[in-house]
Amino acid sequence: QVQLVESGGGVVQPGRALRLSCAASGFTFKFYGMHWVRQIPGRGLEWVAGITYDGTVEDSADSVRGRFSISRDDSTSTLFLQMNDLRPDDTGLYFCSKEVRGIHGVALDDWGQGVQVTVS
Amino acid sequence: DIHMTQSPSSLSASLGDRVTITCRASQPINFALHWYQQKPGKAPKLLIYAGASLQSGVPSRFSGRGSDTDFTLTISTLQAEDFATYYCQQSHSTPLTFGGGTKVEI
Repeated sequence: QVQLVESGGGVVQPGRALRLSCAASGFTFKFYGMHWVRQIPGRGLEWVAGITYDGTVEDSADSVRGRFSISRDDSTSTLFLQMNDLRPDDTGLYFCSKEVRGIHGVALDDWGQGVQVTVS
Repeated sequence: DIHMTQSPSSLSASLGDRVTITCRASQPINFALHWYQQKPGKAPKLLIYAGASLQSGVPSRFSGRGSDTDFTLTISTLQAEDFATYYCQQSHSTPLTFGGGTKVEI
């Protein structure tokens, strides 16, 4: 079955960087677009960034654009989120998710358990 | 950005009740609307995609309907395992955006 396992979170000071990883298994990683979604207490779920199956298109939320970048390594079935210049309001639980794409656009049909990022 | 508004933000219900949650988009999104269930300490789980299509393995007591700006998620007969928080999400355009959530409590 599909497994998504995030790692790389932790406590970091404002202005520093972190790199999150998401190890994928149970499906053919190179065929699927992938996303990062975060959950911040009091702010619900917030989409952070997404990347197409072939890595040609990346997009991110305005709140992180220019600071965060998403990438993928199909040889190791791993998704990354490079987070630079972290701010206290980036604190939250970060989920890796796999997309299912159709005429309806993109739904997120599999999720990891999340990794905590605390900026303080 | 497309803003998603859910109502109510929370509700109390009993086992066996019929529960309906509403999600409104700030502009027409056709059928690009999906519903998720999240339990405490767990990741969200996709329930309904494209407005009304039931995700594989999801019980048939869950149903979705709507189009353009107004959507509903209905649980026909509330079960104990359905007490959770429910979110809608639009995929008509990026950024993907979520509603604020509806907590279904006993």
